[in-house]
Amino acid sequence: AQTVTQSQPEMSVQEAETVTLSCTYDTSENNYYLFWYKQPPSRQMILVIRQEAYKQQNATENRFSVNFQKAAKSFSLKISDSQLGDTAMYFCAFMKINRGSTLGRLYFGRGTQLTVWP
Amino acid sequence: GAVVSQHPSRVICKSGTSVKIECRSLDFQATTMFWYRQFPKQSLMLMATSNEGSKATYEQGVEKDKFLINHASLTLSTLTVTSAHPEDSSFYICSASRLAGGRDTQYFGPGTRLTVL
Repeated sequence: AQTVTQSQPEMSVQEAETVTLSCTYDTSENNYYLFWYKQPPSRQMILVIRQEAYKQQNATENRFSVNFQKAAKSFSLKISDSQLGDTAMYFCAFMKINRGSTLGRLYFGRGTQLTVWP
Repeated sequence: GAVVSQHPSRVICKSGTSVKIECRSLDFQATTMFWYRQFPKQSLMLMATSNEGSKATYEQGVEKDKFLINHASLTLSTLTVTSAHPEDSSFYICSASRLAGGRDTQYFGPGTRLTVL
């Protein structure tokens, strides 16, 4: 079974500062995807960033970047230049790569509530 | 692109009635859709995986006769909560899988808040 652990239930950061959210996972799979989703107060789940396990290069999307350590099974999210709109619940998620065309299920962590204050 | 809609966004019903929630992928075809339930301040709990043209696969502990899922087309899946009771009150979220260029991603609908009186 796959498990995803987010050890920080809550975090806060001042606007324009940098914050890192941690995530670890446990799997026996070699090929998989990792994701960070955010869920703002509207409760719409929004994809922030994704990482393919076979890629050594860390994914980046503007102010968001990850530190993917495959051997350590660690997948942290760094948010640079934090903005008030970044306030949300952040979920780390794992997906096995299925053979064929059908997507696999997502395994979510418990989430980290990030608050960005002025 | 990759927009998923859900309807209704919120519904209030009386105990014992049935409620249908629709999930649509608006600009792509989704062979697989997923239904989640989320309690306040908690993570998403997968209820079932819905494949177009076949029966849904339910997670352990989810009653398939209570939560009916129909994936009638590549862009529409429905969840019907039958004989709803107050304990079914929750936030229900669907997602649709998009497979394009080797990049597999799930896109989520905005959710439906169900309140059973």
